[in-house]
Formats: sequence, structure tokens, C-alpha cells
Amino acid sequence: SAVISQKPSRDICQRGTSLTIQCQVDSQVTMMFWYRQQPGQSLTLIATANQGSEATYESGFVIDKFPISRPNLTFSTLTVSNMSPEDSSIYLCSALPTGTGWNTEAFFGQGTRLTVV
Amino acid sequence: AQSVTQLGSHVSVSEGALVLLRCNYSSSVPPYLFWYVQYPNQGLQLLLKYTSAATLVKGINGFEAEFKKSETSFHLTKPSAHMSDAAEYFCAVKSTGGGNKLTFGTGTQLKVEL
Repeated sequence: SAVISQKPSRDICQRGTSLTIQCQVDSQVTMMFWYRQQPGQSLTLIATANQGSEATYESGFVIDKFPISRPNLTFSTLTVSNMSPEDSSIYLCSALPTGTGWNTEAFFGQGTRLTVV
Repeated sequence: AQSVTQLGSHVSVSEGALVLLRCNYSSSVPPYLFWYVQYPNQGLQLLLKYTSAATLVKGINGFEAEFKKSETSFHLTKPSAHMSDAAEYFCAVKSTGGGNKLTFGTGTQLKVEL
């Protein structure tokens, strides 16, 4: 299994500003994912981040709003840019261990609870 | 395309009673199915997973789930609820047709009462 640490665990931000969320995995992983969990709702995939390539964004999410970095096999960042109150959510980092098959489960960080005021 | 439907956004049971959380999936290829639990202010923790090895899957904390292809279901059960089981439960599906991405259901909030 993999242990994933996310920072910050929570933050309150002013609208119009940006926040960068860090995700650190204790082992090398091939694929990392960023999810958004809006209040009272399920998890929605924002993007998939593979090391050495551009992140792949899901429909409804764009790089200008959610730029992602993946500099190595253990780390990724998600930036929420030009925030508005609608961006208030929990943001979760997830990872798939390297060399695993389709039946392998993803591991999750503790999440970052973002409130935009 | 793959999708998951969880019937019942809120389920309430008495302590010691049977827990049944429903999950139905849709997938054009054989799916891999997962149940995750989320305790308040925490991330997701895997409860169990179906990977085609056995239709009845046992997980942590006394939970189990049965894969029924004919019903496209993967319901989660526990014979006797405990107060510590109160949490949100998510069913998720992954398939070779959907890449390595998990698609989550809308979640079921389980409340356990004395």
C-alpha cells in the first residue's frame, strides 16, 4: 500500500487568489489523480497526472483553472486559480502504485478542505 | 462508458442490525468494483474490491459484498452494525474500457443508532 500526505489539510482563501495543494506519496507511483468533492456530493475526477507528461483533464476542467505539476514519481501539485466561492470543496489526491494491474485499488490522501470567501 | 448508482443517500440502522448498502454498476466490459469508506474529515479507505476471482468478497471491519452479474449489482453488507461504522460509503467502478480511472457513485451516509 501507499501512504499519501496532502498539504494543507484545510485553508480559507480570499476570492481571486490561488492555492497550491501538495501531494506526497511514500513510494513511487505511476499514476496520480486529483478529485474534487463538493459539499454533500461524490468525488469528481479533475485530472490524471503522469510523470513526464502533461496532465489529462476531464470534461469541465481546464488547465488554466487547475494547473497540475508532476515533477517526479512521488509528488504532485494542484493549483486552484482565481478562486471563487464555487471552488469551495474538498480536493483529494489519489495514486496507483507502479506496475499494478487493472484490479489494483487507488490510495487516497486525507484531502484538502478549501473554503473561498 | 462506466457508471455507478447508489440507491439511498442516507441509511439509518440500529446498532446490531444488518447493514445493506446498494450499488449497481454499468459497464460495457467486465468491471472491477470497489467499496470505499470515508470517515468525517478523512480521506477514502478501501473496504473491499471485486476483481473476478470470487463473487463474494470479504473486506475489513466485517464488511462483505457479492458481485451479481445478472443484476449488475455489488451490494455491501455487514451482519451487525457498530456505532463506529457511521461514515459515508462510496461504490466505485473501474474497467479497461474507462482507462485506469475510478468512477464513483454518489455515496451513502450510514447512520447507526443506539
